Amino acid sequence: AQSVAQPEDQVNVAEGNPLTVKCTYSVSGNPYLFWYVQYPNRGLQFLLKYITGDNLVKGSYGFEAEFNKSQTSFHLKKPSALVSDSALYFCAVRDSNYQLIWGAGTKLIIKP
Amino acid sequence: DAGVTQSPTHLIKTRGQQVTLRCSPISGHKSVSWYQQVLGQGPQFIFQYYEKEERGRGNFPDRFSARQFPNYSSELNVNALLLGDSALYLCASSFGPGQGETQYFGPGTRLLVL
Repeated sequence: AQSVAQPEDQVNVAEGNPLTVKCTYSVSGNPYLFWYVQYPNRGLQFLLKYITGDNLVKGSYGFEAEFNKSQTSFHLKKPSALVSDSALYFCAVRDSNYQLIWGAGTKLIIKP
Repeated sequence: DAGVTQSPTHLIKTRGQQVTLRCSPISGHKSVSWYQQVLGQGPQFIFQYYEKEERGRGNFPDRFSARQFPNYSSELNVNALLLGDSALYLCASSFGPGQGETQYFGPGTRLLVL
């Protein structure tokens, strides 16, 4: 069965430092992977996705993600964190029935 | 362009009542999906509709039902509400149901069942 794991409930980063939010997945067949961000009392905002091609995917707000097939990972990264990046981040994978399977989320806290 | 819109934004119901949530997709999008997000968890898939046909159903009881209208808007109905139905209900739209399609989410309807 398809699944997504976000091993960290919370990640703390100082403003200006690089950040990484981890995601690993398990799928049968080719993976279709997504990252979304959720601000308090808001819906989910799309950041980026991997379908095929380059392993480094660039997305919105300066975020990027690195797809690693051998490690079945799709970690979200940003070279320099902003306080406004503080939010809840979700990784998701499309399953064989075309539905999104979601991780439990990682709370990102950027400290000034 | 307007994004995905949902109504109402908040709703309070009592156990046993019925509720209808509404969603309008982004213009040009023909697929709508519904998700339930309980506090502190990731979204759980409920339904997907494409061209007014149900394309997928998650592991939810028959108390949950949905439909999509000719203008591609959608309604989610929940009957015989339970306390455990309290959650944020999210609607997402996309051009189609394909595996590479990006889903764009509305702000959600927060349902509280007392």
